[in-house]
Amino acid sequence: GAVVSQHPSWVICKSGTSVKIECRSLDFQATTMFWYRQFPKQSLMLMATSNEGSKATYEQGVEKDKFLINHASLTLSTLTVTSAHPEDSSFYICSARDYRTGRGGYTFGSGTRLTVV
Amino acid sequence: SQQGEEDPQALSIQEGENATMNCSYKTSINNLQWYRQNSGRGLVHLILIRSNEREKHSGRLRVTLDTSKKSSSLLITASRAADTASYFCATDRDNFGNEKLTFGTGTRLTIIP
Repeated sequence: GAVVSQHPSWVICKSGTSVKIECRSLDFQATTMFWYRQFPKQSLMLMATSNEGSKATYEQGVEKDKFLINHASLTLSTLTVTSAHPEDSSFYICSARDYRTGRGGYTFGSGTRLTVV
Repeated sequence: SQQGEEDPQALSIQEGENATMNCSYKTSINNLQWYRQNSGRGLVHLILIRSNEREKHSGRLRVTLDTSKKSSSLLITASRAADTASYFCATDRDNFGNEKLTFGTGTRLTIIP
């Protein structure tokens, strides 16, 4: 089945630094990937839609200059949290859809827990 | 923004009992999906039901969809301790018809051995 690999699974960084999170589709090509953020005991909130070869589409209220998304290939999207602050601490998850299967379900990465100290 | 609401927010039942979770949504859909999330992990796709379907089964899972009421339910039969997780419904379209997987608020299910 479709596999999405997300790395790292957790990261601790200092305030003001930047953190990059990678999301790879391992056995399928993903022209579109999605980035979510999840705070404890809450649901997933879509941050942005990552489009291969073009600019990402950000949801209302998400700062595009703070959350940089790059989707340079059909199998890799990256999310960079720039100048991280403690309020950016959260669980970040990516997903992609393998349109070959026709199942319609999305495959999710295992998530990245970011802690900003 | 959240697509919809799920209820209950939390559910605790004895092992072997059935668990029912409900989801309401707001937009038109092509399909509705249910996902499971173990604590601190990614999501696992459970089942998809298309807008022209009313009921679907997969193993111990049964999903219903009522598009007139914009609601869906997930039934887990003969629950097991390993079913303890959070369950989310998700719709595949936003208000403008764009592809966008939008999640409900989720139900935290606890199965008591």
